[in-house]
Amino acid sequence: DQQVKQNSPSLSVQEGRISILNCDYTNSMFDYFLWYKKYPAEGPTFLISISSIKDKNEDGRFTVFLNKSAKHLSLHIVPSQPGDSAVYFCAASITGANSKLTFGKGITLSVRP
Amino acid sequence: GAGVSQSPSNKVTEKGKDVELRCDPISGHTALYWYRQSLGQGLEFLIYFQGNSAPDKSGLPSDRFSAERTGGSVSTLTIQRTQQEDSAVYLCASSSDRGFYGYTFGSGTRLTVV
Repeated sequence: DQQVKQNSPSLSVQEGRISILNCDYTNSMFDYFLWYKKYPAEGPTFLISISSIKDKNEDGRFTVFLNKSAKHLSLHIVPSQPGDSAVYFCAASITGANSKLTFGKGITLSVRP
Repeated sequence: GAGVSQSPSNKVTEKGKDVELRCDPISGHTALYWYRQSLGQGLEFLIYFQGNSAPDKSGLPSDRFSAERTGGSVSTLTIQRTQQEDSAVYLCASSSDRGFYGYTFGSGTRLTVV
């Protein structure tokens, strides 16, 4: 049972445009959400997170939006750069439980120069 | 060290053999996690160590899998009698506290069972 779903396996955007990566979850107990970025042959690196008490968190070119009623979050990258080309994982957790994260399958983003 | 170190980076083994995967976490990090990523799948939680507490083994897929963490530092993930479905990238991560942003992943061990 996939509790965190990234239904689009890939996304291709033009440099300078906006990239929107989507993520859905099914477990209403999740209250903390993260995005990780992964380059080939490297481990995932933390990108940005959001708590369920917020609906938006912004860090430079990266913004994460959370819609709790829809159990949906999205990562916006503006403007997209070729160096953003990577696999992006959405992850979720329950505060107070151990630090276990539940990950989606990932989205491969390609930013065309 | 500066990061989480995993060895070997690649491992090819014959079906039925045992393998050991090693993880050296960041010095001082009390929490250590093992995940695996099978082809086309997300990262799947395997096991979690926090300080001297009993590990959370709820993600281990079968009793062929075991892990230990010696001296609160280095961890070894052992897979006995490997099967082809065990082929995956095994990722280790450590963190200094329960903060998820503090997760630092290693580069992983790519295990191929032939």
